[in-house]
Amino acid sequence: SAVISQKPSRDICQRGTSLTIQCQVDSQVTMMFWYRQQPGQSLTLIATANQGSEATYESGFVIDKFPISRPNLTFSTLTVSNMSPEDSSIYLCSVLRNPGSNQETQYFGPGTRLLVL
Amino acid sequence: GNSVTQMEGPVTLSEEAFLTINCTYTATGYPSLFWYVQYPGEGLQLLLKATKADDKGSNKGFEATYRKETTSFHLEKGSVQVSDSAVYFCALSDRNAGNMLTFGGGTRLMVKP
Repeated sequence: SAVISQKPSRDICQRGTSLTIQCQVDSQVTMMFWYRQQPGQSLTLIATANQGSEATYESGFVIDKFPISRPNLTFSTLTVSNMSPEDSSIYLCSVLRNPGSNQETQYFGPGTRLLVL
Repeated sequence: GNSVTQMEGPVTLSEEAFLTINCTYTATGYPSLFWYVQYPGEGLQLLLKATKADDKGSNKGFEATYRKETTSFHLEKGSVQVSDSAVYFCALSDRNAGNMLTFGGGTRLMVKP
């Protein structure tokens, strides 16, 4: 498995401000992902963050709104920029273990609960 | 494209009742299948997985069998407990789709004493 921590665990922010969420993994991983879970909904992939390359964003998500950093193999950040109440969600990072094998599995962090007023 | 469909909740059961949460999928390749659980106020935890047809994943009394002929991965537990109350997500991973996880909509389970 993987031990994944996220900071902050929750926050209440004012509209128009930005929040940077950190994701730390206990060992090196190539592939990390960022997801959004809107209230009462399932998870939606925001982007894939691989170390050494630009993040790859899914349809409906753009770098200006959700800039991502991946400075090394154990750490990533997601920034939610110019927030509005519609950004209120749980944001989760995940890592891919055993890529390319039949044991390939994504493990998730505990999530960051964001409320935008 | 890939998709996962799971039964809508909430599912309300009494303690020690039998649980089934249905999950069916559509995939172009040969996906791996997963069940994740989200307890109140927490992130997602991997519950069990299966990587090929006829594999059975099991954990904490939960089981699911990868049925290629019916494209299903139904979650079952013989006797649920109040502590099993959570939201359960069925998901598939397709290496042909860049290892991206495709999630079902989630099913909320409420177990009453």
